[in-house]
Order: sequence, then C-alpha cells, then structure tokens
Amino acid sequence: NAGVTQTPKFQVLKTGQSMTLQCAQDMNHEYMSWYRQDPGMGLRLIHYSVGAGITDQGEVPNGYNVSRSTTEDFPLRLLSAAPSQTSVYFCASSIQGIGGYTFGSGTRLTVV
Amino acid sequence: KNEVEQSPQNLTAQEGEFITINCSYSVGISALHWLQQHPGGGIVSLFMLSSGKKKHGRLIATINIQEKHSSLHITASHPRDSAVYICAVEDFFYGGSQGNLIFGKGTKLSVKP
Repeated sequence: NAGVTQTPKFQVLKTGQSMTLQCAQDMNHEYMSWYRQDPGMGLRLIHYSVGAGITDQGEVPNGYNVSRSTTEDFPLRLLSAAPSQTSVYFCASSIQGIGGYTFGSGTRLTVV
Repeated sequence: KNEVEQSPQNLTAQEGEFITINCSYSVGISALHWLQQHPGGGIVSLFMLSSGKKKHGRLIATINIQEKHSSLHITASHPRDSAVYICAVEDFFYGGSQGNLIFGKGTKLSVKP
C-alpha cells in the first residue's frame, strides 16, 4: 500500500517551460488536493477535486491547471513556469468528510 | 488577520519536558487537524478532531469549539519529536463535498538531549 506517490521529488525549470507534477493514490480516496508551501507562510490550497471528473480552484490557482480523469490520479500542470512558482508542492488525499489526510512526499520546484 | 494562528512560532525544550503548542482560529470549522512535518519535509497527519480530546502515545490533542482554540501536548518530549507542527482547520462542507484545509504557519519544535 503505497499511499500517495508524488513525482518528481526535485525539478528545475526555466521561465516559460511547462511541466506536470504527478500525484497518484491507491487508497480509493475521493478527495485529492494540491498545496504549495513557501517560507514564512502556511500551506496554501491550489486546486482540489472531490471525485473523478470534478475539480475546483483553491486559494492560489493562477498559473496552474488540474484534471481528474480517474480516482487514482490528480496531476498538476504548470503551463508557463514563472519564478514566483518556485516552491515546494504537496499533494494530499482524504476520505471525504471523515478522514485524516495522507500527504505525498513533496516536489521541490525551482524556476530560474 | 490570519484565520489560523499558532503559538509559539519557535520552541526549544529539554528532553523530558512537557510541551504545549496552541492554535486559535476565527472561522467556523467542521474539524481541526494537527500535522507533523519532519526535517526531511514529509507531512504526517497526527490528529483529526471536532470535539473533546484525543490521545496517541505521548501526544494529546484537545479542542474547545466555543473558544475556537486547540492545543497539542507532548509528554516526556524526546529529540525525535523535533519537527514543525502544523494546525489546519477544515471548513464546512456543503452537499457532501469535502471541506478544504486552512493552515497555520507552523510551530518549529527543537528538543535538546
């Protein structure tokens, strides 16, 4: 039982490049979410999904896209990376409404 | 005003001490979560609570809904408890949808041997 798997763990991008951060869970959790963590700030919600085919914006969605074609996968796409997107990104999943959260190990992204 | 406030921001303790970390929030919530972030960066869920008190090993979490306040206690602290402890509140969910988390900035705990 792997839990929540995030890839890659580290990534360096040039401004304007695109990339996809992968997130997969094998716990059949309906709820999945993406957060970014910046120094001196709490984690902030980027996008979330309450089930396959359903996504919605969080607190800081600009510059990011998501999709949820299956229960297991919830990729986060950066279409045109900017230095302001340098951060540590976490994916998490939860049993809808009743459970604690399981976090991925994080992706440290640097945009130069 | 931040919706979730934690105190203290930093805490240094000697091994064996009793530790308390506080969390206050200003919004209506359906649940409150305590998380632990290790120096390596991984985040682990410690507690989810909506009332009363929960205990797991040397960790105890309490919540007072009327006062909008929660505390995380660590008894007989140990250097391996050194980590950042994060309070997060889950807002109300409507129509069966999951509430989303609003995070505090975390409390960095260092336990010296």
